[in-house]
Order: sequence, then structure tokens, then C-alpha cells
Amino acid sequence: QSALTQPASVSGSPGQSITISCIGTSNDVGGYSLVSWYQQHPGKAPKLMIYEDSKRPSGVSNRFSGSKSGNTASLTISGLQAEDEADYYCCSYASSRSWVFGGGTKLTVL
Amino acid sequence: EVQLVQSGAEVKKPGATVKISCKVSGYTFTDYYIHWVQQAPGKGLEWMGLVDPEDDETTYAEKFQGRVTITADTSTDTAYMEVSSLRSEDTAMFYCATGFRNFDSWGQGTLVTVSS
Repeated sequence: QSALTQPASVSGSPGQSITISCIGTSNDVGGYSLVSWYQQHPGKAPKLMIYEDSKRPSGVSNRFSGSKSGNTASLTISGLQAEDEADYYCCSYASSRSWVFGGGTKLTVL
Repeated sequence: EVQLVQSGAEVKKPGATVKISCKVSGYTFTDYYIHWVQQAPGKGLEWMGLVDPEDDETTYAEKFQGRVTITADTSTDTAYMEVSSLRSEDTAMFYCATGFRNFDSWGQGTLVTVSS
């Protein structure tokens, strides 16, 4: 499968909102309600932030939200904080017990 | 608390084989798939494949089919990922992860360096 398409980088000032897109196909993002988002700080393991397109695990700030329209999923972070600076990856189920990640987006908090 | 603890860093020569372990605790091992994810230096996450500990069924991403073998040992609640015929491009951090239809929990990662 081909990797999902994410912007290489996004940036925003503290307090602002940003949105990261994740473009797939009807065989992955658009075909299942199984998009998840992961935050990765340098030298750390990824952390689940959103699952099943828009659900938030317990303990994850409500400043993080997920949505999807057709073959495009989005992660929105509101009220940006310095600690949000990290790499973000989307991931989707892609049928036949396989998954595919996006290329990753580096978020810079200005 | 769900925990996945991986084996330590490895340095291997080209052509060698490496086998990484991932010991889980805090849940019933056979309840969820164990996935393996590769991250080359400075690069993104790449899903490699999975094992279903309940029946040992595996699925591999096309890129990793043939050189990668993923197994599970229910007697020790440990999953393994083996890469054969190592080449320099295999130098990467490898993570195991588990969860119900996503990757709730992750191991700490195992760095494999391939160098002559």
C-alpha cells in the first residue's frame, strides 16, 4: 500500500489552532472508520492521540480532535502549547489485516 | 497497566539476522494483535506486519514480505520479530505495539544498527 499523504510541516503560535490533513483512498481512510493519530516527541515512542477517526483516549487533552470527510482525515489541535511541538502521524486500517501510516508532519510552535 | 518491554539495542553486520523480542504484561496476550513498526533514522513510521497470538496467523506489508518473520510465544507472552539478510538500509528503530484496531500501547523501541 502507499503511505497516506500528510504535509511535511505545519506551524502555529501559542493559543492558535492548527489542522493536519491526512489523504488516503477509498481502500483505507475512506473505507473504514479506523483512522488513528499518533504524537511522537524526539527520542520517544509514539503516543495514541485519536482513534476510530475522532475518539480521544482517556488522558488525552480535549484540545486534540479528529475528523474525516471522504478520503481525507484531519487532526486539529486548538489552543496550541509549546509541549505540542512534535511529529504527528496518521494511520489507517487498509483491509486484509494491514495498516498504513502517513509520512508524518512536524509541528512547530512558534 | 499494559506494558510492552523490548529487548536491547543490536549491532549486526550486513548479511546477518537479528531477532527482537517484545514481552507484554497487563492484559491477556491472545486478546490483541502484536504489530511491528519500523522507523529509519530521521524518517517516519512504517507498518511492517502483525501476529495474532491466538492462532499465530501473520500479515506482512508487501515491502517486508520474505525477509521478516513475526512470531508469538503464548507460554511467555512474548512476540518476536526477525529480519534476515540485513543490509545497511535496515538500520532503524523497531517498535512493537498493540491495541484493538489501533496502537494503544507501544514498546520503548529497539535500535538495530547494521554496519560492517
